[in-house]
Amino acid sequence: AQKVTQAQTEISVVEKEDVTLDCVYETRDTTYYLFWYKQPPSGELVFLIRRNSFDEQNEISGRYSWNFQKSTSSFNFTITASQVVDSAVYFCALKRSFGNEKLTFGTGTRLTIIP
Amino acid sequence: AAGVIQSPRHLIKEKRETATLKCYPIPRHDTVYWYQQGPGQDPQFLISFYEKMQSDKGSIPDRFSAQQFSDYHSELNMSSLELGDSALYFCASSLESGSGANVLTFGAGSRLTVL
Repeated sequence: AQKVTQAQTEISVVEKEDVTLDCVYETRDTTYYLFWYKQPPSGELVFLIRRNSFDEQNEISGRYSWNFQKSTSSFNFTITASQVVDSAVYFCALKRSFGNEKLTFGTGTRLTIIP
Repeated sequence: AAGVIQSPRHLIKEKRETATLKCYPIPRHDTVYWYQQGPGQDPQFLISFYEKMQSDKGSIPDRFSAQQFSDYHSELNMSSLELGDSALYFCASSLESGSGANVLTFGAGSRLTVL
């Protein structure tokens, strides 16, 4: 069975602070894909990143960075110099590495950036 | 770029009524997924179609049915609506890669309110 845990239900930080969102997953598969999606107050789900379980290199995209550690089954997401526009619910998700498998989402972390 | 189109965006129904949600995937995408997101919850997988055939089924109530048509659009039919069916319903589409690497692109969602 696939399971994704986001232990942080809600986080509030002051603008310009750095913040890390935690994601821990469980799977019996040796290969899989991990994702992060953003859900702003408007409600849509916006794709942020996909990570192959073979690739443990960290990734940086502007103010966003992701730390994948297979040894601890974690795929954490850090926002540097947070901005009010980063306020959203962030979902970590897991997908099996074959066919057109579904995404299994974590419960999400609601991030609020205080101006 | 074309996105996933869902209609209607908002729908209000009475208990025991029927509702139909429509989804138009990104052109050339061959897989459609339906998710249900209750208030404050993560998206829950309902059902998916690949090349117009049902490919996977999740926690979809027997009162719900779905299909994918020859033009690849999909419809989710919900009958005997209950108060608990009030939720945001997402459709997502992807292009099957065979490796599981396909990214799901989500529509803006259809918000169903059952009174």
